Amino acid sequence: GDSVTQTEGLVTLTEGLPVMLNCTYQTIYSNPFLFWYVQHLNESPRLLLKSFTDNKRTEHQGFHATLHKSSSSFHLQKSSAQLSDSALYYCALYAYKVIFGKGTHLHVLP
Amino acid sequence: AQTIHQWPVAEIKAVGSPLSLGCTIKGKSSPNLYWYWQATGGTLQQLFYSITVGQVESVVQLNLSASRPKDDQFILSTEKLLLSHSGFYLCAWGSGTGDEQYFGPGTRLTVL
Repeated sequence: GDSVTQTEGLVTLTEGLPVMLNCTYQTIYSNPFLFWYVQHLNESPRLLLKSFTDNKRTEHQGFHATLHKSSSSFHLQKSSAQLSDSALYYCALYAYKVIFGKGTHLHVLP
Repeated sequence: AQTIHQWPVAEIKAVGSPLSLGCTIKGKSSPNLYWYWQATGGTLQQLFYSITVGQVESVVQLNLSASRPKDDQFILSTEKLLLSHSGFYLCAWGSGTGDEQYFGPGTRLTVL
């Protein structure tokens, strides 16, 4: 069945270093939608990025991701982490239904 | 503009007692609706979704049930709460061809 696999657990890095959170997916649907959601402490998740176009970079709030259908990947990147980026990040797939990955805690240290 | 309201904001309940959580979406006709659960310190778990009134699909039951009595309303309930039901319950509606999720403010449930 359809699934999403992302970097699990906790990712800790120092402010100013680059961020990369991995996301790969499995689906037989040829036109999936991929999303990144962010959830800050004591808040609800909100959309960060979305894409359905192969090999096209999408950017928002300093984060970017590119959907690569050849490798079934949609990794989240940022060139320089900020303290305010500390949050829980979810990769999600839409292929006739919504599927979330298990989430990655990002902790940015000063 | 669409708004999503969840009630109650927070609830403290005893093990074995019943529970009903509600969600209402305004400004969106025939939305896809979802219930999610998040244990304290944990990650999202999709519980149920509904694409139309009267139809609910279960993803993970966790001894809970859901109903959609109206186009804009989604109810999560159980007759007997367990300690493991504690956590953060989120309602969401989906929009667009990718069913982009818009989450409500959530209900914090503590079961003692």
